[in-house]
Amino acid sequence: SQTIHQWPATLVQPVGSPLSLECTVEGTSNPNLYWYRQAAGRGLQLLFYSVGIGQISSEVPQNLSASRPQDRQFILSSKKLLLSDSGFYLCAWRSTGQGQETQYFGPGTRLLVL
Amino acid sequence: AQSVAQPEDQVNVAEGNPLTVKCTYSVSGNPYLFWYVQYPNRGLQFLLKYITGDNLVKGSYGFEAEFNKSQTSFHLKKPSALVSDSALYFCAVRDPYTGGFKTIFGAGTRLFVKA
Repeated sequence: SQTIHQWPATLVQPVGSPLSLECTVEGTSNPNLYWYRQAAGRGLQLLFYSVGIGQISSEVPQNLSASRPQDRQFILSSKKLLLSDSGFYLCAWRSTGQGQETQYFGPGTRLLVL
Repeated sequence: AQSVAQPEDQVNVAEGNPLTVKCTYSVSGNPYLFWYVQYPNRGLQFLLKYITGDNLVKGSYGFEAEFNKSQTSFHLKKPSALVSDSALYFCAVRDPYTGGFKTIFGAGTRLFVKA
């Protein structure tokens, strides 16, 4: 079966510090991968998605970047965090196989920038 | 363009009563529709989906949803609510032909079930 991992679960960082959040998926190949941010326990904002290694699409201009160095690894980064980067970050995957329409989410990383 | 709307920020229901969480959508073609649930400080959990076929789909934890093409709705229902159903619920839509790789999520509806 497929599983998705995110770490760390919680992170407190000072303004101006760098960021690296990691997401890995097991049990599937060539998934579509997604990074979302959720503010204040409400709606999801799609930040990035990737359809393959090294292929990143950005949905909103911002202080963050994403990379996909391996097929099942998706990394969210920042060189200098802003207060507004605080939030709950969710990674998700979707199979590209036939009949696989559903997106599945990781447990999330709560980021607090002080 | 795809879009999805959850018109209620919050739904309150007494335990044992039926519950409905509303969702309407807009896509140019035939939609894929989904419901997810989120508990505090957790990721979204998939509940159910409509792809094709029977308009009434059943999912996890006794939830079901009815696809209504004429009303472009996909309301989530449960015959008898439990306190443990209290959570944040998201409706989502994807147009498989023109929507590309993205699934569009509603703003979420918070369900409170009182004992």
